[in-house]
Amino acid sequence: GAVVSQHPSWVICKSGTSVKIECRSLDFQATTMFWYRQFPKQSLMLMATSNEGSKATYEQGVEKDKFLINHASLTLSTLTVTSAHPEDSSFYICSALTDLSGNTIYFGEGSWLTVV
Amino acid sequence: ILNVEQSPQSLHVQEGDSTNFTCSFPSSNFYALHWYRWETAKSPEALFVMTLNGDEKKKGRISATLNTKEGYSYLYIKGSQPEDSATYLCAFDSGTYKYIFGTGTRLKVLA
Repeated sequence: GAVVSQHPSWVICKSGTSVKIECRSLDFQATTMFWYRQFPKQSLMLMATSNEGSKATYEQGVEKDKFLINHASLTLSTLTVTSAHPEDSSFYICSALTDLSGNTIYFGEGSWLTVV
Repeated sequence: ILNVEQSPQSLHVQEGDSTNFTCSFPSSNFYALHWYRWETAKSPEALFVMTLNGDEKKKGRISATLNTKEGYSYLYIKGSQPEDSATYLCAFDSGTYKYIFGTGTRLKVLA
């Protein structure tokens, strides 16, 4: 199946700093990528939909100025958590849509963010 | 608010046992129901895409059924093996690709 790689897997940052998470489709072009967040014992929650070459669409309650999404190429989307705070500590995971897979979305491995 | 429920949250079974989990989802605006298998530190792996009421799909020892009228899907594992240990996620798809996930069922198969 299609491969989506996410980096870093783990990151610890200081409160107030920014951290960038990358999501790459390795063997296909992804016109659309999705970013999810998962808090402990909760389900994956969609944060935003990222379309190549255009602005991301954010879900209700997700601050677009805090969670900057860039989808500059067909194989790369980035999520930058700006001015991170401890409450932003969570598991973040991306997924990508490919025309090759019908209506199946492929996921990255996820990134654990801890803000101290 | 659309809600997807999975049960049980977790279970332990002995190697060789068969088991099943439930995913409940809204019966309106249904397009597809996705099942994923998610091992720790790996990407969720797509198992099945269920679209038609009454659908039954099979992949080796794993199978799934779908009832869109009452809003549930069952995932069955026959003769569980330790390598089946994972979290099994279902996701409701209304056709917009904005999946709504359940919290998953964590399966541990004991050797």
